[in-house]
Amino acid sequence: DVQLLESGGGLVQPGGSLRLSCAASGFTFSSYAINWVRQAPGKGLEWVSGISASGGNTYYIDSVKGRFTISRDNSKNTLYLQMNSLRAEDTALYYCAKAPMSRGPRYWYFDLWGRGTLVTVSS
Amino acid sequence: QSVLTQPPSVSGAPGQRVTISCTGSSSNIGADYGVHWYQQLPGGVPKLLIYDNTNRPSGVPDRFSGSKSGTSASLAITGLQAEDEADYYCQSFDFRLSGLWVFGGGTKLTVL
Repeated sequence: DVQLLESGGGLVQPGGSLRLSCAASGFTFSSYAINWVRQAPGKGLEWVSGISASGGNTYYIDSVKGRFTISRDNSKNTLYLQMNSLRAEDTALYYCAKAPMSRGPRYWYFDLWGRGTLVTVSS
Repeated sequence: QSVLTQPPSVSGAPGQRVTISCTGSSSNIGADYGVHWYQQLPGGVPKLLIYDNTNRPSGVPDRFSGSKSGTSASLAITGLQAEDEADYYCQSFDFRLSGLWVFGGGTKLTVL
C-alpha cells in the first residue's frame, strides 16, 4: 500500500523539543517532495514546511523559521521535523503530505497524506 | 485570517448543486498558480479532490468539478449526497507571503 505514517508527537512543555518522523512506503520516496501541514484543534489547515526530493531545498512558514528543521533520509524512506522552542500555538495535528513528481515547488499540491501525529504544547 | 477566503459554511439538500468559492489575490490565484481542493470528512484525513483548477484524481466522482477565473476559484458539487458532508479547503501558492503554500480557512458543507 502507498502510505505515509507519522510518529513522534506527544505532550511537551513550552520551550521544549520534539522530533516528528514520517515513514513512507509503497512508492519511490526519493523521487518526491514531502511537506508538513498542521491543523490546530477545531481549526483549518496550515502549511508548515517542505523539502525537495533530494533534500537540497527546504521551505518554512515564517512562524517556525529558526525553530523547526525539516530533513529526510532517503535511504530510510523517512522524513523528519525537528521542533525546538515549542510554543502553545504549535499545538496541532501534524500531517506529512506528498507532492506530485516533477513539479516545481510553486505548483505543489498534496496528493497523499498520512493520518497525522498530535503535538500538544502545554505546561 | 486566511490568505484565501472561503465561506465558513454552505448547505444543500440531497440531489442539489452547491458551490464553494475561494477568493485570493494577485499574488496567488491571480498570479496563475493552480488552485487545488481537498475534502476532509469528519474525523478524517484531507483528501485531494481537484488539482490544477479543474482536474480530478482517479477515483473522484465527476459530481465534483473545479473552475478558476481571475483571482477566484470555485468548487461545485452536483447531485449532493449525505456522504459529501465534510470540510472543504482550497490551496494555492503565494509568492509574497511568509507561508508559501496557502490554504483557505475551510468551508463546512452540511447536507440537509
